Amino acid sequence: AQTVTQSQPEMSVQEAETVTLSCTYDTSESDYYLFWYKQPPSRQMILVIRQEAYKQQNATENRFSVNFQKAAKSFSLKISDSQLGDAAMYFCAYRSGYGNTPLVFGKGTRLSVIA
Amino acid sequence: DGGITQSPKYLFRKEGQNVTLSCEQNLNHDAMYWYRQDPGQGLRLIYYSQIVNDFQKGDIAEGYSVSREKKESFPLTVTSAQKNPTAFYLCASRDPSWGPQDTQYFGPGTRLTVL
Repeated sequence: AQTVTQSQPEMSVQEAETVTLSCTYDTSESDYYLFWYKQPPSRQMILVIRQEAYKQQNATENRFSVNFQKAAKSFSLKISDSQLGDAAMYFCAYRSGYGNTPLVFGKGTRLSVIA
Repeated sequence: DGGITQSPKYLFRKEGQNVTLSCEQNLNHDAMYWYRQDPGQGLRLIYYSQIVNDFQKGDIAEGYSVSREKKESFPLTVTSAQKNPTAFYLCASRDPSWGPQDTQYFGPGTRLTVL
């Protein structure tokens, strides 16, 4: 079974600075997809960014980018120019590329943004 | 507007009572999911359904039951057999025909408290 590990339960960043959240995963599959979800205090889950394992290019969405290291099974999220609205729980998730399987989530990282 | 609704937002239950959490979506998605969220535990899969009249157990199905009689609806019953039901429950859906890279959408959640 696949597992997702987020080793940083809590992180903090100064407003306008950059922060990187770590995620590692364990799988024997070669085809899979990785996601970062954000859960603000409202508790509504929001997709931040996704990465296809077959793509070498790292995904980018505005201030959010990933560092995907397939060999190391690492998928970190970088938030640039941090804003107060970025304060939230961030979850890393994995989905197999084989069949129609559910997302597997890490335990999350709580990000605080300091004004 | 298309989306996922969960009701009620807050639910209180006495020990020994069964309770049903509602999840409805108008996104025309075939696949629906129930997750449980506890502090420090991330999101854990309870049950999922890939099509009407079919569902599979997730990692923590004991003490829960579901039905999928309609495409739009996937109610979750928390039975008295669930030893520690106090948690935040999230429902999600997606369209598997878009492939495994497709976004999984989430409802706003139900907070269940056992008194």
